[in-house]
Formats: sequence, C-alpha cells, structure tokens
Amino acid sequence: EDQVTQSPEALRLQEGESSSLNCSYTVSGLRGLFWYRQDPGKGPEFLFTLYSAGEEKEKERLKATLTKKESFLHITAPKPEDSATYLCAVQAQTGANNLFFGTGTRLTVIP
Amino acid sequence: KAGVTQTPRYLIKTRGQQVTLSCSPISGHRSVSWYQQTPGQGLQFLFEYFSETQRNKGNFPGRFSGRQFSNSRSEMNVSTLELGDSALYLCASSPGGGAANTEAFFGQGTRLTVV
Repeated sequence: EDQVTQSPEALRLQEGESSSLNCSYTVSGLRGLFWYRQDPGKGPEFLFTLYSAGEEKEKERLKATLTKKESFLHITAPKPEDSATYLCAVQAQTGANNLFFGTGTRLTVIP
Repeated sequence: KAGVTQTPRYLIKTRGQQVTLSCSPISGHRSVSWYQQTPGQGLQFLFEYFSETQRNKGNFPGRFSGRQFSNSRSEMNVSTLELGDSALYLCASSPGGGAANTEAFFGQGTRLTVV
C-alpha cells in the first residue's frame, strides 16, 4: 500500500535559519513525487515534481531532492512569507493521475 | 493562463441534503481529480475523470459521485449529507492522457459545512 510520512509535523524557524523537511515514501513504482505549499483556507500551490532518484530542483529559497526512499525540501535563509504547510505527495505508475498525500509539515518562520 | 476555478467557494448545507460542486480545469487539461481535505485525515483522493470517463476512484461511499463534460469541466455531487462530510473539497487539473508532464494544479477549493 502506498504510504507517505512527513516529518516534522511542525517546525518553527528564525528568519534566516536554514532547515530541511523530510518526506519518506513507499509506493509500488514511483511515477512522480510532488511538493506543494498550502496557505490556510487555500488550495495547494504546486512547487516541484521529481521523477527519479538523484534529481534536484530549485525555486528561490527552496530546493527539493529525491532518493529511492525519501525526498527532502531544503529551505535556505527562510523569510516570514515562507510560513505555510508543505505537502508531499506520490503518484504511482498505475496510469491513473491520483496523488497520495502525506499530512504535511507546518512551517512557521519568525521575524 | 487562467487557473483552476471552483465554485462556489463556500457552502452551508443541512444534514440529509445533497450538494453539487463545480470545477473548471486549466484550458487544455483533460484530467480532473477531486480530493477531500479534513484536519484529521488530510488530503484524500475521491475520484479522477479523463475524457468524460471516471478513470480511478478512492475509498469513499457511493454518496460521492462525479461527472465530466465534453469541455472537461467537472462536477461532484454528495447526496444525503452527513456532518462528517464537512471539509474543503479540492479539484486538481492536469494534462492527463499519459503526458510526460503530470503536474496537478489545484483550485482554491469549496468549503462545505454541514449543520
């Protein structure tokens, strides 16, 4: 059965204090691993898709990496506006497009 | 390029009633998926439609149903509403059809409250 575990559940950082969020996954053939950002009361905002182990993608202060068992979202010198819940999801090689989500990491960046 | 549009944004319904939610995907996208998000369960997959056909279904009771029209717009319906159906319902749009680009883009959601 597909499973996604995100850690930590919540993270408080001082502005400028870099850190990493973890997403461990089990899936019967990975088609893609997705990272989303979600602000309260809003829909998830697409950040990255990673397709194979060793792949890395960057966007502003965020960098996502992928291994065969987990993905990391590295946040470099975060700002208060980076505060949000970060969701990880996997898509299996079944031909269907559904995503299996983790429960997210709630990030708070303190000025 | 317009994003995913969901209507209405907010709904309040009474137990036993039914509700219909609407989703207009990104232009050119043929796959529409629906998710339920609650504080306790997180985001859970309801079903996916591609070219007017349900392609995949999550583990929800038959009270939850959907359809897709020829212009790719989709609706989901929940009948005989229960208090536990209160949630944020999200629609995701993607190209579908085995395209290499499988990114799914979400709408802002419909907040359903059942009283």
